[in-house]
Amino acid sequence: SQTIHQWPATLVQPVGSPLSLECTVEGTSNPNLYWYRQAAGRGLQLLFYSVGIGQISSEVPQNLSASRPQDRQFILSSKKLLLSDSGFYLCAWGQGAVSYEQYFGPGTRLTVT
Amino acid sequence: AQTVTQSQPEMSVQEAETVTLSCTYDTSESDYYLFWYKQPPSRQMILVIRQEAYKQQNATENRFSVNFQKAAKSFSLKISDSQLGDAAMYFCAYRSAPRGSQGNLIFGKGTKLSVKP
Repeated sequence: SQTIHQWPATLVQPVGSPLSLECTVEGTSNPNLYWYRQAAGRGLQLLFYSVGIGQISSEVPQNLSASRPQDRQFILSSKKLLLSDSGFYLCAWGQGAVSYEQYFGPGTRLTVT
Repeated sequence: AQTVTQSQPEMSVQEAETVTLSCTYDTSESDYYLFWYKQPPSRQMILVIRQEAYKQQNATENRFSVNFQKAAKSFSLKISDSQLGDAAMYFCAYRSAPRGSQGNLIFGKGTKLSVKP
């Protein structure tokens, strides 16, 4: 069966510091991968998605970036965090045309101080 | 652009009773998918049920069922025999059909469901 992992689970970082969140998927190959952000009391906002290694599409202009160095690894990064980057970050995977659902990881709670 | 609207920020139901959560969406596409996700206090998003727009039959998963009204662009979730474990945020989501689409989900803002013992 497929599983999706995210780490760290929680993170407290000062403004201006770098960020690296990691997401890995097991039990499937060539998944579509997604990064979402959920601000307090709001729905999910898509940040990035990837259909293959090295292929990244950005949905929202920001100081975040994403990379996909391996088929089942998706990384969210920032060189300098802003206060507005605080939130709950969720990684998800889907199988595109094979099935239409997306399955989510446990998430990372990021607090920028 | 597609939008998803959940007009009920909060709902409450008595244990063992039935509750219906509302969702409307706006799209000019004819082929798409709709989903309900549950986010319990752990905050992990869990898929509850999905509906393909080309199917007239409403989807059902155990105690969860939907009322899909394509012409009205309405997609409500009915939870029967509510249990304490059903307490969570519920999100309605829209996805374009895969042809020419990367499958991005568009979410509503959610409905917080409380279950009273």
